[in-house]
Amino acid sequence: EPEVTQTPSHQVTQMGQEVILRCVPISNHLYFYWYRQILGQKVEFLVSFYNNEISEKSEIFDDQFSVERPDGSNFTLKIRSTKLEDSAMYFCATTTGGGVKEKLFFGSGTQLSVL
Amino acid sequence: EDQVTQSPEALRLQEGESSSLNCSYTVSGLRGLFWYRQDPGKGPEFLFTLYSAGEEKEKERLKATLTKKESFLHITAPKPEDSATYLCAVNSGYSTLTFGKGTMLLVSP
Repeated sequence: EPEVTQTPSHQVTQMGQEVILRCVPISNHLYFYWYRQILGQKVEFLVSFYNNEISEKSEIFDDQFSVERPDGSNFTLKIRSTKLEDSAMYFCATTTGGGVKEKLFFGSGTQLSVL
Repeated sequence: EDQVTQSPEALRLQEGESSSLNCSYTVSGLRGLFWYRQDPGKGPEFLFTLYSAGEEKEKERLKATLTKKESFLHITAPKPEDSATYLCAVNSGYSTLTFGKGTMLLVSP
């Protein structure tokens, strides 16, 4: 079965540094999402992306966050100046169409640790 | 604001011991209720979508049901490989899912 691929699997960074998390969506999928899960907490929605623009974003997704699809295949999440509270597992998810009414395919995540 | 509450937080079963997981939800207008399975260190894996009260879906030993206020995930004669965290999520907006905290299921041989 096709998979959503995320890199790196683990990222350790110093507070205030920029990080870029990468995702390769399933090839025919059109809708892309970032979710995060702080240890022991719920999976939380960050942002959705369709047709090269943000469709929706949550309150968590402030000016420190940005997303782009730089080369038509990768989908990236950038955190400009990381904070301790950004430490979490970040999941990329994609789907074919119809928004989230269709099932989401999640990647295995990037574990971000901010020191 | 959409809310999803799952119970119990953790459940330990013997192999073959059937049980049910509960998901209570409050949404402004339900567009879909989703069940996902999450293994440690992995992303959620889709199991079911339910759209309207009275709907039921089955997959192997799992059966999901939906009422106007809650959903149940029934596990019949579970096996150790069913051990995982089961997540419930609702969609009331266009593209967002609101997840519950999940039920951690452990099935012992």
